[in-house]
Amino acid sequence: DAGITQSPRHKVTETGTPVTLRCHQTENHRYMYWYRQDPGHGLRLIHYSYGVKDTDKGEVSDGYSVSRSKTEDFLLTLESATSSQTSVYFCAISGYRESYNSPLHFGNGTRLTVT
Amino acid sequence: DAKTTQPNSMESNEEEPVHLPCNHSTISGTDYIHWYRQLPSQGPEYVIHGLTSNVNNRMASLAIAEDRKSSTLILHRATLRDAAVYYCIPLSGGSNYKLTFGKGTLLTVNP
Repeated sequence: DAGITQSPRHKVTETGTPVTLRCHQTENHRYMYWYRQDPGHGLRLIHYSYGVKDTDKGEVSDGYSVSRSKTEDFLLTLESATSSQTSVYFCAISGYRESYNSPLHFGNGTRLTVT
Repeated sequence: DAKTTQPNSMESNEEEPVHLPCNHSTISGTDYIHWYRQLPSQGPEYVIHGLTSNVNNRMASLAIAEDRKSSTLILHRATLRDAAVYYCIPLSGGSNYKLTFGKGTLLTVNP
């Protein structure tokens, strides 16, 4: 399995509190992604990173911010969690620029519940 | 970004071949075609990818049309474990490798 770890795996938090999810990789890959998955919506891209300090918005970035201060870590922050952000969050990594044959590898997901 | 069209759902019987189609008529010449699947309650996993030629691996085969406007993922003998949502994704290096998923095809495998 690709070396990708998401933490925490489960979290319950209250509306209005800040939450940070962490994605850690040991593959030294350049590209990292955050997706959310909700019933009926499939996977939706929140933010992605194409290098240290290089990030961009995805399809559903409102209410989320990210940071990538080093290659191995990509943090997703909900500044003030809302119930609509209850979801399963997946991190993914890819070494596409290093090799055209590099596929996307996903973490096991973080289940976030905002009450 | 290239758009894709996949059937919402398909059904197959165990041990029979399955052909999952994907239309990507706006694909550019340098976009690779990737396929991923997501088993119930799991994260997505890579299945196969290709550029122009047909590709085979231990999981599946990928047949790419000569004009590259469509592709077909082939599972040679479906098993119950192949029941999943299958996603077809053209990957564009020109957009900093921004990867967005469509809704995919839900494959049901009957015993």
